[in-house]
Order: sequence, then structure tokens, then C-alpha cells
Amino acid sequence: DGGITQSPKYLFRKEGQNVTLSCEQNLNHDAMYWYRQDPGQGLRLIYYSQIVNDFQKGDIAEGYSVSREKKESFPLTVTSAQKNPTAFYLCASSLTLGGSWISTDTQYFGPGTRLTVL
Amino acid sequence: GEDVEQSLFLSVREGDSSVINCTYTDSSSTYLYWYKQEPGAGLQLLTYIFSNMDMKQDQRLTVLLNKKDKHLSLRIADTQTGDSAIYFCAEKSGDYKLSFGAGTTVTVRA
Repeated sequence: DGGITQSPKYLFRKEGQNVTLSCEQNLNHDAMYWYRQDPGQGLRLIYYSQIVNDFQKGDIAEGYSVSREKKESFPLTVTSAQKNPTAFYLCASSLTLGGSWISTDTQYFGPGTRLTVL
Repeated sequence: GEDVEQSLFLSVREGDSSVINCTYTDSSSTYLYWYKQEPGAGLQLLTYIFSNMDMKQDQRLTVLLNKKDKHLSLRIADTQTGDSAIYFCAEKSGDYKLSFGAGTTVTVRA
């Protein structure tokens, strides 16, 4: 089965701790993304990666870090510097990062991880 | 800049048609997307439309695009209880970035 998996589904963290959210894809996609979703809001982009060993900040990167050592994997670390980390985190991937007129950059999403800070 | 707006709630009777509306501001948008999110789940791509198209139909789904007014709509024919979900409109402008609306919660009543 091809797809995007995220783990864990639910994660609880104490204040002051770093936690890492896993995202794996077997779609052979080059580009991967992390979004944050808060109730009643659209998705906001945290980080994205066009290709292995490359990643860029999105709109709300403060307090987060990522790595892209393998094509299939794009883990997100929520650090203690993130002031309000409780949210639903969604990972996505696309065949390419894309240019203006290319449909192969359609993004497909994983099932999400719900992070709660206690 | 990008700004995508949707109404927050829609209630529809089972068997009727649902119409979800979306407006966007970026005139250079290339693709516009509709995603569906069921409770506690990720986003499922429903359909997308290229910006030089007016309409796209896919089984029960019809997407209408009015580029002049920057208005996008998703019509779901014969709405079923399984269609109850949050529907997100998203636009892609000249680069990689997707801008999402806040989502429309569709409730299907018997």
C-alpha cells in the first residue's frame, strides 16, 4: 500500500520537553511538508523540503526543527521554545515541489498527529 | 498576498445537493483544490481545477471556477451522511505554497 504514515497518532508532552513526530512516505515523492492545524483555522506551513538534505522554513517555523536525511522520512521536532505547541500536525508530500503550471506538485496528506502539552 | 475565505458551517438534508463556496485573492493562482477532512483524520484530496478551466465534474462532485470574481465552489450531488466532514479550499500560486481557507463544516441531517 502506498501512502504517508505519521506516528504516533496521539502524543502528550510535558512543558519543557522536546518531542519528535515521525512522517514516512513510500510514494517516491521528492517534496515533503509539515503543517499545523488549530481549531477553526486553516493549515499553516511550518517547514518544507524539496529534496533530500534540503529544507526551508515556512510561515511559522519558530520553535520547530526538521531533518531530511532520507527521501522517505521528514521528522519534525517540536522544541521547548515553541510557546503554544498543542495542535494537530499534518505531514504532506508531493512528487515535486513544482513550478507554476505543474500538477505533479499536488500535495497528499498523512493521517496526522495530535500533540497535547500537559 | 494570499487570502482564502470560506463560510464556516453548512447544514444540508440527506439527498439534497450541497454547495460550498470559497473566495480567494491571488489572481496568479494556478491550481485550486478541495480537500475533505473527517474527524481526527488527515486531509483527503477530493479534486482540483486548473485556473484556465471553468468547470470540472467528477462523479457527484462539480467544481465551478469564476476567475473574474475569484470564486470557487464545490457542489456535492445527492449528499450522504458519509459526506459530513470539514471541506477545505486551497489555492496554489506561482510557487510551491498552498494557502488554505479555515474550512467549512458540513453536517448532513436525515
